[in-house]
Amino acid sequence: DFQLTQSPSSLSASVGDRVTITCRAGQTITHYLNWYQQKPGKAPKLLIHGASNLENGVPSRFSGSGSGTEFTLTISSLQPEDFATYFCQQSYSTPGITFGQGTRLEI
Amino acid sequence: QLQLQESGPGLVRPSETLSLTCTVSGVSISSINYYWAWIRQPPGKGLEWIGSVYNSGSTYYNPSLKSRLTISLGTSEDQFSLKLKLVTAADTAVYFCARIMVGHTEYLDTWGRGTLVAVSS
Repeated sequence: DFQLTQSPSSLSASVGDRVTITCRAGQTITHYLNWYQQKPGKAPKLLIHGASNLENGVPSRFSGSGSGTEFTLTISSLQPEDFATYFCQQSYSTPGITFGQGTRLEI
Repeated sequence: QLQLQESGPGLVRPSETLSLTCTVSGVSISSINYYWAWIRQPPGKGLEWIGSVYNSGSTYYNPSLKSRLTISLGTSEDQFSLKLKLVTAADTAVYFCARIMVGHTEYLDTWGRGTLVAVSS
């Protein structure tokens, strides 16, 4: 089962805070885990692929880690533009894929 | 520059067929390095993968939608399409098309802006 569970579902934080979001898989997905940021009315934007690889153009305050079944997305120092919803997504079963339910990051 | 653009009716009646097209510019959908995918997002909810198509025309569907779904490459080389039959209100969502980059790992690196499709009489 490639179900993904994110925690927390929502999170309140302040500018400058360090924030961590967790994504757990129902079975091992090795390093096939990606992270996206979505702002209201917009398409998701790729942040991290392969668990820890920063997409070109994404600020270095974003980082990803983990393998197997547990993964984390960390934002080292929140900026105003980072308040958004974050989704994890597994590609172990590509071309079939699944998403986590999302984490809403609020001020 | 790669761009994807969804197009199709914004309103579909219950029990009818939802049809959308994704037009790709900036890269050939015949490339072996990519899959092409449809994803949807009901209002205020999360993302759901609908299905994917490869340059060979091979398709892969979400099991929960498979019986109602057809994804295909377009008649022109820069399009792929989605048809979902027998729609209900539960199919109301923003529909996105996206590219899946295939390599060491796979990820959705480019998305269309999305198009809202409402199912209502």
